[in-house]
Amino acid sequence: AQSVTQPDIHITVSEGASLELRCNYSYGATPYLFWYVQSPGQGLQLLLKYFSGDTLVQGIKGFEAEFKRSQSSFNLRKPSVHWSDAAEYFCAVGAGAGNTPLVFGKGTRLSVIA
Amino acid sequence: DTAVSQTPKYLVTQMGNDKSIKCEQNLGHDTMYWYKQDSKKFLKIMFSYNNKELIINETVPNRFSPKSPDKAHLNLHINSLELGDSAVYFCASSQGSGTSGRGGTDTQYFGPGTRLTVL
Repeated sequence: AQSVTQPDIHITVSEGASLELRCNYSYGATPYLFWYVQSPGQGLQLLLKYFSGDTLVQGIKGFEAEFKRSQSSFNLRKPSVHWSDAAEYFCAVGAGAGNTPLVFGKGTRLSVIA
Repeated sequence: DTAVSQTPKYLVTQMGNDKSIKCEQNLGHDTMYWYKQDSKKFLKIMFSYNNKELIINETVPNRFSPKSPDKAHLNLHINSLELGDSAVYFCASSQGSGTSGRGGTDTQYFGPGTRLTVL
């Protein structure tokens, strides 16, 4: 079965600074990878996903992520963080052919300071 | 229009009670899910239904019973509530395929969540 690790529980960045949230996965075949964001008191919203093809994926709100098979990673990046980006970010991995459910990481909480 | 809606948003109840949470999606999706998010924000799947058929039942106590009257609705009924049931419950849906329903490859759309507090 697949698994996901988000090594950083909480990250604080200054508004306007760049951001990178780490995600490492474990899965024997090509994974389906997702990043979701959860704003306080809200449900989860998809930021971006990777299934195949170009390993650099663009998402909504100026986010991007890069799939690196050799490092089993799918890190999320944003060049300039806005205060409204403060939220919980979840990486998730799915298996091909939909054989197993989506597995979520434990999340990284992002705080943005002025 | 709200894509995935849940009611109620907040639910406070006593131990031993029975309660239900309703979920509706207007996206025309084939698959619906229930997730539990604990106090540490860990999100874990509980159930999934594909075209009203139960696909996933992830070692959830049988006090939890999902019911899907049609593919746009997936309700969660909980009997004999316990303190440990306190959590945020999320409903989600995805397009899926006729033989899928496990959600491993599908973009899932989440409802706003129901915060259940058992006293």
